[in-house]
Amino acid sequence: GEDVEQSLFLSVREGDSSVINCTYTDSSSTYLYWYKQEPGAGLQLLTYIFSNMDMKQDQRLTVLLNKKDKHLSLRIADTQTGDSAIYFCAESSSGYSTLTFGKGTMLLVSP
Amino acid sequence: KAGVTQTPRYLIKTRGQQVTLSCSPISGHRSVSWYQQTPGQGLQFLFEYFSETQRNKGNFPGRFSGRQFSNSRSEMNVSTLELGDSALYLCASSTVGGGPGGEQFFGPGTRLTVL
Repeated sequence: GEDVEQSLFLSVREGDSSVINCTYTDSSSTYLYWYKQEPGAGLQLLTYIFSNMDMKQDQRLTVLLNKKDKHLSLRIADTQTGDSAIYFCAESSSGYSTLTFGKGTMLLVSP
Repeated sequence: KAGVTQTPRYLIKTRGQQVTLSCSPISGHRSVSWYQQTPGQGLQFLFEYFSETQRNKGNFPGRFSGRQFSNSRSEMNVSTLELGDSALYLCASSTVGGGPGGEQFFGPGTRLTVL
């Protein structure tokens, strides 16, 4: 079945760039998403990318997609302490609502 | 525009009981999906409803069921609760489901503890 893998933990200093990586196995993945979850909260959609795109930039966020290697990354520029959270990579295929999530990457930003 | 709301936010039940969770989607959204989040299994898809019909279902036992009403509000029910059902249950709504224009917006979740 489909699988999405992420590294579990990333620690950076405030002001640095953060790069969170994700790999997926489903070759029919059509949309790929990044969600953010803060303690005690639900999931906040940060950004998404079509599988026919290589890159998408949205303010401090840059998403890179290597479809050949099935590798997705999220770069956060000028990381702030408020960016500390768990980041989930997710994929869906055929435009349906079913999202397959990775286990999440905990990002810790220290002052 | 109000976001996705879920009630109750916290719930404590004992094994063998049943529970009903409620989700009110964003106004105008017709698709509601449910996910279970646990430390061990992460986020897993339960089911999706669109216009009162179950459109997709995850790999969960029949003790987990749901429904959607004509106003798009959705409920999920878990019968004969087990300790392993303790989790954060998240509801998400979207206009059509998946992709741009159908991005899923999540509620804050219901934290269910089974004792």
